[in-house]
Amino acid sequence: GAVVSQHPSRVICKSGTSVKIECRSLDFQATTMFWYRQFPKQSLMLMATSNEGSKATYEQGVEKDKFLINHASLTLSTLTVTSAHPEDSSFYICSATKGRADEQFFGPGTRLTVL
Amino acid sequence: DAKTTQPNSMESNEEEPVHLPCNHSTISGTDYIHWYRQLPSQGPEYVIHGLTSNVNNRMASLAIAEDRKSSTLILHRATLRDAAVYYCILTRYNFNKFYFGSGTKLNVKP
Repeated sequence: GAVVSQHPSRVICKSGTSVKIECRSLDFQATTMFWYRQFPKQSLMLMATSNEGSKATYEQGVEKDKFLINHASLTLSTLTVTSAHPEDSSFYICSATKGRADEQFFGPGTRLTVL
Repeated sequence: DAKTTQPNSMESNEEEPVHLPCNHSTISGTDYIHWYRQLPSQGPEYVIHGLTSNVNNRMASLAIAEDRKSSTLILHRATLRDAAVYYCILTRYNFNKFYFGSGTKLNVKP
């Protein structure tokens, strides 16, 4: 199989705090991981591409200082939402590839609510 | 990136076949066609993908037009568990970013 997990599944925080979301590939080494954001009743929006040991590549319009991505190993990528505000409340989803360019394995998502 | 166009929603009866269309008139020769589906509050799930030829797997079939400007995902016998948003996505080989469109919300009636 190819299982991707995310932690936490749900987080509520106060405005101004930072939140870290973990994405792990449980049974394979992920050469590339991706981070998406999804607002209610909308589609997924690609935020950034993360390769192990190198800086993440952010999509146009995504603030790299706001959404810090670290991909320290072939099985773990983290997304930190810094100084979160209510407008950052969203469903954050990660995915990972095994090396083949034609399939992504998605995590279950993390629902962030900023009060 | 080539864009895809899908109907916003479709409805099907349980145990009947469902044909979900996708238009991608600006597709390039190296673009793969992927289908994923997403249940509420879950991450997307792989359904099927193809390049030029029709493809079959245990979940579905993918019919690709001869000019590759459109494709159809076929669920042979819809079940209630197939109710989801289905996304048709194009990706260029070795450039595996996914840009999701709006997808088709499939409702399956018992």
